[in-house]
Amino acid sequence: NAGVMQNPRHLVRRRGQEARLRCSPMKGHSHVYWYRQLPEEGLKFMVYLQKENIIDESGMPKERFSAEFPKEGPSILRIQQVVRGDSAAYFCASSEDRVESPLHFGNGTRLTVT
Amino acid sequence: AQSVAQPEDQVNVAEGNPLTVKCTYSVSGNPYLFWYVQYPNRGLQFLLKYITGDNLVKGSYGFEAEFNKSQTSFHLKKPSALVSDSALYFCAVRDYNAGNMLTFGGGTRLMVKP
Repeated sequence: NAGVMQNPRHLVRRRGQEARLRCSPMKGHSHVYWYRQLPEEGLKFMVYLQKENIIDESGMPKERFSAEFPKEGPSILRIQQVVRGDSAAYFCASSEDRVESPLHFGNGTRLTVT
Repeated sequence: AQSVAQPEDQVNVAEGNPLTVKCTYSVSGNPYLFWYVQYPNRGLQFLLKYITGDNLVKGSYGFEAEFNKSQTSFHLKKPSALVSDSALYFCAVRDYNAGNMLTFGGGTRLMVKP
């Protein structure tokens, strides 16, 4: 059973470009979460999705950031017009549809904005 | 709102000695509590969880954690530390009444010296 798969592992974008981060959850998991981590800091919640629905996006900036989890295919975190402050590691996690189920994390996408 | 505090940025311990990484939480309802470990350039790995039942829970790699409701704490422990335990440790809480979102503490860096 493959774990949570994120790609790319590393992404370099110039200021003003778009970044697309992909996440395939573990098999059987219907919940996806995106977190952002700055160097030597904790994880900041961004958005929580189920298939075709955004459940909680309270941690995601209102502008330039969007997320989706379509019926088919991976979850996508999209950052438009990237700025240097967007440079961070972005982690995706997935879980089963049970509140006691732990989150399982991917290895992250490290975004560098030059 | 739910929150987690990890009061120590770093814990230093000698190999073979017992270790404790502290965590306190705040939730409005019943807590589900989790510990994760993060190695460099990797995602978070699930260690253990408390849902209900015995206050002492055992997890991966010889780690255990003790749930203390009166002190709202969930400290991570290990009887004998290994150098390979050196990593970043995160405590997380989910409020039973607040859905699936997991809130993380700021992390504690554990340094085990030979």
